[in-house]
Amino acid sequence: GAVVSQHPSRVICKSGTSVKIECRSLDFQATTMFWYRQFPKKSLMLMATSNEGSKATYEQGVEKDKFLINHASLTLSTLTVTSAHPEDSSFYICSTKSSYNSPLHFGNGTRLTVT
Amino acid sequence: GQQLNQSPQSMFIQEGEDVSMNCTSSSIFNTWLWYKQDPGEGPVLLIALYKAGELTSNGRLTAQFGITRKDSFLNISASIPSDVGIYFCAGQPGGSQGNLIFGKGTKLSVKP
Repeated sequence: GAVVSQHPSRVICKSGTSVKIECRSLDFQATTMFWYRQFPKKSLMLMATSNEGSKATYEQGVEKDKFLINHASLTLSTLTVTSAHPEDSSFYICSTKSSYNSPLHFGNGTRLTVT
Repeated sequence: GQQLNQSPQSMFIQEGEDVSMNCTSSSIFNTWLWYKQDPGEGPVLLIALYKAGELTSNGRLTAQFGITRKDSFLNISASIPSDVGIYFCAGQPGGSQGNLIFGKGTKLSVKP
């Protein structure tokens, strides 16, 4: 069954608004979650590592003030795209591991379209 | 940074044929994984490999972790139409918290 739940699956917003994407671990506690971004016909690129109770770690070139990550509980991480612009339109996918030795499982992704 | 070279980029095959795709890297990885992604959905794990030389099967799928820890292949036997999708290899670097580096994907098309 599903390990990770991501919501919403699709969102359309106007330029300048902010959008929040939720990622929940199902039936286990996730101290670390990962946020990826995928452009059409491209591979997944790691944006940031979300750590419960501490600041997220961002990959080079990813604006932390643009992509706010909050990991306030052991089962929920949120990614907020602030002041969205059309170039932020993309497929955002979260992932996590159910245990230390388990492989990474992904949510179903969120298709963001900024008009 | 570390990169994975995945090939082929795309494949067009007849139903029933076998398929092979591979990934190589200039760096060593501790874990190799293979995922399949359908349009509009997140990647789904197919096979995870944890030891150099490991050969693992999942139904019609077989994957191997290269001895050098710098490569992996995925084979699909007797392909069926539902095998259509994009297959990604992914490697977990040593010392990482679990984040992965992905190949660019292999788009598989199966003709009935």
